[in-house]
Amino acid sequence: AQKITQTQPGMFVQEKEAVTLDCTYDTSDPSYGLFWYKQPSSGEMIFLIYQGSYDQQNATEGRYSLNFQKARKSANLVISASQLGDSAMYFCAMGLNTDKLIFGTGTRLQVFP
Amino acid sequence: GAGVSQTPSNKVTEKGKYVELRCDPISGHTALYWYRQSLGQGPEFLIYFQGTGAADDSGLPNDRFFAVRPEGSVSTLKIQRTERGDSAVYLCASSPAGGPYETQYFGPGTRLLVL
Repeated sequence: AQKITQTQPGMFVQEKEAVTLDCTYDTSDPSYGLFWYKQPSSGEMIFLIYQGSYDQQNATEGRYSLNFQKARKSANLVISASQLGDSAMYFCAMGLNTDKLIFGTGTRLQVFP
Repeated sequence: GAGVSQTPSNKVTEKGKYVELRCDPISGHTALYWYRQSLGQGPEFLIYFQGTGAADDSGLPNDRFFAVRPEGSVSTLKIQRTERGDSAVYLCASSPAGGPYETQYFGPGTRLLVL
């Protein structure tokens, strides 16, 4: 079965600290892409970071990095130096040859001062 | 505009009515996707267009749902005989050419409420 699992319904982090949001995936396809999106209360899905299954190095985009462990089928998002504006829902998603994205159920991150 | 736009932003309708939801993708993007997001869930795929044709409509829940993209740009999602269970946020996304390695850029969504 092709599936994304996010086991943390909610996470709290203090401003300026780092936080890791977990994501595991299940697929037998050798080629896939892994994505993280942020969804603030306004509802729009904002693309954060991408990792291809054949990429040798972990992806980084500013304060976001993706801890890709292929053998464990995990693609955790690390946010460094958290800001109040990071409070939102975060979704992990997988892209396969079918073109559609398969999303997890999301993690609600709350950053407190 | 630079991003994906969707209209209306909110739609309230009565059970049994017909609704149309519109998506205007990023200019030049040939791939267009529709997803549905129920409360507390991640988005679920409905349909994918490559140009004017529906390349994959396997996510449409039943024949009350239909989508078109006649000129390869704007797309309309059509729902006939709406039911209360259709209440959700309908998200549209586009990407330059489609494929599993391309980022999909999402619009703000249409919040549909069926009374």
